[in-house]
Amino acid sequence: DVKVTQSSRYLVKRTGEKVFLECVQDMDHENMFWYRQDPGLGLRLIYFSYDVKMKEKGDIPEGYSVSREKKERFSLILESASTNQTSMYLCASSMEGILSNQPQHFGDGTRLSIL
Amino acid sequence: GQQVMQIPQYQHVQEGEDFTTYCNSSTTLSNIQWYKQRPGGHPVFLIQLVKSGEVKKQKRLTFQFGEAKKNSSLHITATQTTDVGTYFCAGKSGGSYIPTFGRGTSLIVHP
Repeated sequence: DVKVTQSSRYLVKRTGEKVFLECVQDMDHENMFWYRQDPGLGLRLIYFSYDVKMKEKGDIPEGYSVSREKKERFSLILESASTNQTSMYLCASSMEGILSNQPQHFGDGTRLSIL
Repeated sequence: GQQVMQIPQYQHVQEGEDFTTYCNSSTTLSNIQWYKQRPGGHPVFLIQLVKSGEVKKQKRLTFQFGEAKKNSSLHITATQTTDVGTYFCAGKSGGSYIPTFGRGTSLIVHP
């Protein structure tokens, strides 16, 4: 079974801090994704990566960056946290490369609060 | 960019009633996926539809992909309390790398 592990279930940070959210998958998947989930807005894609050191902007990349130095790990970085980044963050992974039709496997999410 | 509209946003039903959620796209989709997210949980993949007019069943769940590959539906027959959750569709057009998620339909089942 695919396991996608997010480093924290709950996280509280202060405005202006640099925040790191970590995600690790154990199935050698090429694709990894970061979403934020807000009530009534569904899942919105922040960034995705289709290979080590490769990244592509999603629908809402402003205020975020990502890092993928190893295939199994995909990090989301909030360069200077703001209160409007309070949200549930979900990491996902899927098999194969670009244009994949494979299903995404999600982690349990990190509920981030910015005070 | 590509948009996938999902309706309704919420649906309250009495246990035993049927439930349907609809997913619509302005562009032709190469495939559509359905996910379920239980309260407090994460989205879990249910099924993928690829062919025009395709119908797939999983026990009480019936998934359809429209003939024009621009819409899809998920129908649950005789809902149970275990069906509670948010159902998302995710559609991918031929020119995009990854699927776009709809906003989801939250199903509330009253016993």
